[in-house]
Amino acid sequence: NAGVMQNPRHLVRRRGQEARLRCSPMKGHSHVYWYRQLPEEGLKFMVYLQKENIIDESGMPKERFSAEFPKEGPSILRIQQVVRGDSAAYFCASSPPGYRDRDSYEQYFGPGTRLTVT
Amino acid sequence: DAKTTQPTSMDCAEGRAANLPCNHSTISGNEYVYWYRQIHSQGPQYIIHGLKNNETNEMASLIITEDRKSSTLILPHATLRDTAVYYCIVRDLTSGTYKYIFGTGTRLKVLA
Repeated sequence: NAGVMQNPRHLVRRRGQEARLRCSPMKGHSHVYWYRQLPEEGLKFMVYLQKENIIDESGMPKERFSAEFPKEGPSILRIQQVVRGDSAAYFCASSPPGYRDRDSYEQYFGPGTRLTVT
Repeated sequence: DAKTTQPTSMDCAEGRAANLPCNHSTISGNEYVYWYRQIHSQGPQYIIHGLKNNETNEMASLIITEDRKSSTLILPHATLRDTAVYYCIVRDLTSGTYKYIFGTGTRLKVLA
């Protein structure tokens, strides 16, 4: 049973380029979360998606960042016109659909994508 | 902001129990406490979670005080591979999205 998969694992972009980060949730999971981790800091929530819907994007920067989770295929976190401050580790987590108390579901994290902006 | 506070770092001798405390004095009645750890720069690894009762699994035990304002994660026989940053998380239910709000965690170093 494969875990959460993220690719690429490492991504280098020059300032002004676009970065696309992909996340394939665990089999049977339909909820995806994206988190960002700056060096020496804890993870910060960015966005929560279900299939074809953005449920909570309260942690997303207002500009340049977008996320989607289409009916088919992985979830995508897209960063346009990257700047040096976007350099971070981006983690995706997934959890199953809720048939019981949603709050009790743990999230399973992928290995992360390390974005470096030069 | 994180709803939890943890010591910044702790050391533990290999083979001894590691007891990691966490304060969550503003926890609501229906909020669970979760523990994760992050080894080096890997993705956070789920350890255990609980609501009111103490919990135990193959990795650890979770002790939650009766007033639920604090908890302790216990690694019964710490090994060098348990060296990691340990995060205590209270899930945010206010927006109905069940997102995690991470604090800065406790950096546990297991010493040979």
